[in-house]
Amino acid sequence: KQEVTQIPAALSVPEGENLVLNCSFTDSAIYNLQWFRQDPGKGLTSLLLIQSSQREQTSGRLNASLDKSSGRSTLYIAASQPGDSATYLCAGGGHGGTASKLTFGTGTRLQVTL
Amino acid sequence: DAGVIQSPRHEVTEMGQEVTLRCKPISGHNSLFWYRQTMMRGLELLIYFNNNVPIDDSGMPEDRFSAKMPNASFSTLKIQPSEPRDSAVYFCASSLRGALNEQFFGPGTRLTVL
Repeated sequence: KQEVTQIPAALSVPEGENLVLNCSFTDSAIYNLQWFRQDPGKGLTSLLLIQSSQREQTSGRLNASLDKSSGRSTLYIAASQPGDSATYLCAGGGHGGTASKLTFGTGTRLQVTL
Repeated sequence: DAGVIQSPRHEVTEMGQEVTLRCKPISGHNSLFWYRQTMMRGLELLIYFNNNVPIDDSGMPEDRFSAKMPNASFSTLKIQPSEPRDSAVYFCASSLRGALNEQFFGPGTRLTVL
């Protein structure tokens, strides 16, 4: 059974800093790894999706990496802004044909201060 | 596109009452997911449908929960009878095909059972 862990649970950084969010998963037979953002009282927004054959994906100031052998993924945010404040969740997609599904971590709550 | 639409956004009910949550997926998406989010357990998959057929309902907590998808543009999640421990935010999400493609989340329904 896939288990996904995100540490730390909360992080506060000053505006302009580069930062890294961590995600660990137990089953290396992962199909893909997805990063989501959740604003308070809102649903999840997909940020990046890394297939198991890929090592990283980039979108603007965001870069996500995937290391299946170590069971880790990181989300790098460059030049952080107050608007980046949100909870970031990672989710591992497992194999299993039509029974495949995402297993979510509990998230890292990020606050970017002025 | 309006995105995934959920109703109601908030629901307050008394223990023992029937609760029905509604979801309209993104047009053209073949897969629909129901999730529950709580502080204690994070985000959990309850059930998902492919082409209106339930594929994995292993996350449905007990027989009090039921879900239907009578057509490609509508799904319901029903709780009968409701209990205080069912209080949570319930999200509906959809994807083009399957659980491992990018999922798009609705805004959620915040359910409070008194």
